[in-house]
Amino acid sequence: EVQLVESGGGLVQPGGSLRLSCVASGFTFSTYWMSWVRQAPGKGLEWVANIKKDGSKIYYVDSVRGRFTISRDNAKNSLYLQMNSLRVEETAVYYCTRDQQGAGNYYMDVWGRGTTVTVSS
Amino acid sequence: QSVLTQPPSVSAAPGQKVTISCSGSSSNIGSNYVSWYQQLPGTAPKLLIYDNSKRPSGIPDRFSGSRSDTSATLGITGLQTGDEADYYCGTWDYSLDNVVFGGGTKLTVL
Repeated sequence: EVQLVESGGGLVQPGGSLRLSCVASGFTFSTYWMSWVRQAPGKGLEWVANIKKDGSKIYYVDSVRGRFTISRDNAKNSLYLQMNSLRVEETAVYYCTRDQQGAGNYYMDVWGRGTTVTVSS
Repeated sequence: QSVLTQPPSVSAAPGQKVTISCSGSSSNIGSNYVSWYQQLPGTAPKLLIYDNSKRPSGIPDRFSGSRSDTSATLGITGLQTGDEADYYCGTWDYSLDNVVFGGGTKLTVL
């Protein structure tokens, strides 16, 4: 069964750091682009960052560039998101996704259940 | 403010048809394929439509998608109460080098 399981969420103070992890199973992790997508309470989806199969290309939404770092370990079938200088407004459920990428094409075909990050004093 | 624009809500009676629009620009919908996601209450999003109009395995043909110029449309026929959910469109934006989503549309089946 194709599966993504996130972990690492929790309560953190504003300005603090947190590292999210996502373990993939049921497919060849190293052959897919991967993303992190977040959803604030009662709000819509916001894409955060993605990373190419071999980690050679990385993109971020402007609001997190310089504070968040996406990475992967293909040997461990794992995706990570290091989040520094967290802000209250970044309280959200963070989803790990498997992506399909091609010419003129990008979509998320597998989603994890998400891990909740709460930024509050 | 989302890059892609969707109506906040739509509603229709069981058995009827509904359409959800998604408006963008030349740098996103105008030059890339569109996908649609369904998010049932309290669950993670699920891929519903990809490549503008293709359905993943297991998605019934009551769900359809289309794209024209810088807009896309999701159609749902034979509405069921189980279709009540939030629906999001998404695509790649070449100008931003980002994945972009619509703000989401809440479907109510009256």
